[in-house]
Amino acid sequence: GAVVSQHPSRVICKSGTSVKIECRSLDFQATTMFWYRQFPKQSLMLMATSNEGSKATYEQGVEKDKFLINHASLTLSTLTVTSAHPEDSSFYICSGEGAPGELFFGEGSRLTVL
Amino acid sequence: KQEVTQIPAALSVPEGENLVLNCSFTDSAIYNLQWFRQDPGKGLTSLLLIQSSQREQTSGRLNASLDKSSGRSTLYIAASQPGDSATYLCAHSGSARQLTFGSGTQLTVLP
Repeated sequence: GAVVSQHPSRVICKSGTSVKIECRSLDFQATTMFWYRQFPKQSLMLMATSNEGSKATYEQGVEKDKFLINHASLTLSTLTVTSAHPEDSSFYICSGEGAPGELFFGEGSRLTVL
Repeated sequence: KQEVTQIPAALSVPEGENLVLNCSFTDSAIYNLQWFRQDPGKGLTSLLLIQSSQREQTSGRLNASLDKSSGRSTLYIAASQPGDSATYLCAHSGSARQLTFGSGTQLTVLP
């Protein structure tokens, strides 16, 4: 199946710093990418939908100025957590859409904010 | 608002048993339903995808069914193995793309 590469897999940062997570579709072009957040023992919650070359659409309750999403090409989307705080510590997962409705997920990024 | 519920939350079985994981959803307008596997600290691996027009899909020892009228899907695992231990997530898609995930069933298969 198609591959989505997500980096870094783990990151630890100090409170107040910014962290960038990359999501690349390696063998397909993803016009649309989705970013999810998963807290311990909970399911995935959709944060935002990004379309190549346009602004991301954020879900209710997700701060767009805090979670900056850039989808500059058909194979790369980035999520930047700005001015991170301990409550932002979570597991972030991206997915890219190949054919309509066919989603491929990255391996996830574990963010720990001290 | 769409809700997806998975029962049980956790399940422990001895190796070799057949088992059923349940998923229910509130929105009958469905594009597809997917089952995923998630290992600890890892991303998601797609197991089976059932389109709205289908009633079931099979892959190896896995069989997933979809009953739109009752808002239910089941994942059947035959002859379970310790390597099947993981969290299994079902996800409902009411449009072509957006998925609503259940909270998962954590499966442990004991050797």
